[in-house]
Formats: sequence, C-alpha cells, structure tokens
Amino acid sequence: GAVVSQHPSWVICKSGTSVKIECRSLDFQATTMFWYRQFPKQSLMLMATSNEGSKATYEQGVEKDKFLINHASLTLSTLTVTSAHPEDSSFYICSAHAAGAGTDTQYFGPGTRLTVL
Amino acid sequence: DAKTTQPPSMDCAEGRAANLPCNHSTISGNEYVYWYRQIHSQGPQYIIHGLKNNETNEMASLIITEDRKSSTLILPHATLRDTAVYYCIVRNNQAGTALIFGKGTTLSVSS
Repeated sequence: GAVVSQHPSWVICKSGTSVKIECRSLDFQATTMFWYRQFPKQSLMLMATSNEGSKATYEQGVEKDKFLINHASLTLSTLTVTSAHPEDSSFYICSAHAAGAGTDTQYFGPGTRLTVL
Repeated sequence: DAKTTQPPSMDCAEGRAANLPCNHSTISGNEYVYWYRQIHSQGPQYIIHGLKNNETNEMASLIITEDRKSSTLILPHATLRDTAVYYCIVRNNQAGTALIFGKGTTLSVSS
C-alpha cells in the first residue's frame, strides 16, 4: 500500500511553454500533498504544501504565479510550471500524507524530470 | 524543526552491517526521527521512524539514544542495492508538516 504516482516521468519542452505534472495517491486518500524540486547533486527543496480544497502554501522564494498548484481531490494534486525557462529544469517530486493514518508518514512519488530547452 | 547532522559519505562492504549515525541534539520532546533514502534519480523511500524506543522493520533497525540527541540506522546485511543517499529528519507529527531534507549521507556498498 501507500503508493504515489507521478505523470509524466519526464518531459522536455520549449522555453515559454507551460507544463503540468500530476501527482496521485493510488491506494489512500491524501489530505495534504507536498511538492519538492531537486537540482543535480543537491538535496530536495520544499516548494509548497497543498491541502485538498484550499490554496497551497508556498515556501519563501517560490513564485506562486509561476508554479500553480491545484489539489482538487483527496487523490490528485497538480503542479503547473507556467512559462517555463531553462532555469526551471529540475527533478520535481511530490509526496502525500495519508489521511487518518495512525502514524504520520509521507510517501513520495517517483519524480518528474523537466528539461526546458 | 530541529536540525540534523550526518556524515557526508560512508562505505560498506556487501553483506556487512551498515551503521549510519545522525546527530539531532536540539530535538524537541514531540519530534520523531525519520529515515528516508533516495536511490539515484528516484523519489525518496521511507525506511523507518521512531520517537524514543528502538524500532525494527523488514528494512532496518533504528537505535535512538536515551537522551534522544542522536540515533543510528542499521542495515543488517547491506547489498549493492542499498547504495543511496540516506536522510535523517526530525519532525513533529502534526498533520500537514512537511519533511525538510538536509544533505544526508551517501552510502556506497561495494562487493
């Protein structure tokens, strides 16, 4: 159990286009999902916290108008990178917190590698 | 959340136990110790967590000192597939609290 999927696993796009990444909890309901990004040889950096049915909370330095997050259901959160530029190229990873679980464990998706040309 | 300190890298021979230390001297009473690992180009994988008692599961054992200021993750019989970056994270158990990752320990298992 506790499987989180992401789609797509990788994407290449031209500068100026928008890219949507989906994060799904497959066998549990997730009241809260988190989005991270990871640059080469660096650790994961938290971008935002997404709660079902409400606006996301962004970390300092993350542009909310550039990284649009929607958490419309208990099993799906989406991250849209708008007007992507080469500096947005990164590994984007989501995680989900299981609702009502006895222990608060976060489960991570496999990640989406974004390359902006 | 409290900060953790881990050695940047460690080596281990295949089949031997890998003991990964973590210092969390400023941990609060309501904070748990979590361990995750990340194999290259994959999402982090949950390993184990604990509050104050030692914990064991099918993947690893977690030993937490009595004063809770440090802990050790033990992989009893390391294999080549255990080569990864291991992250020790302290975090309270409030719903909606994110995991904040440090630099972790790169464990290299060799034959």
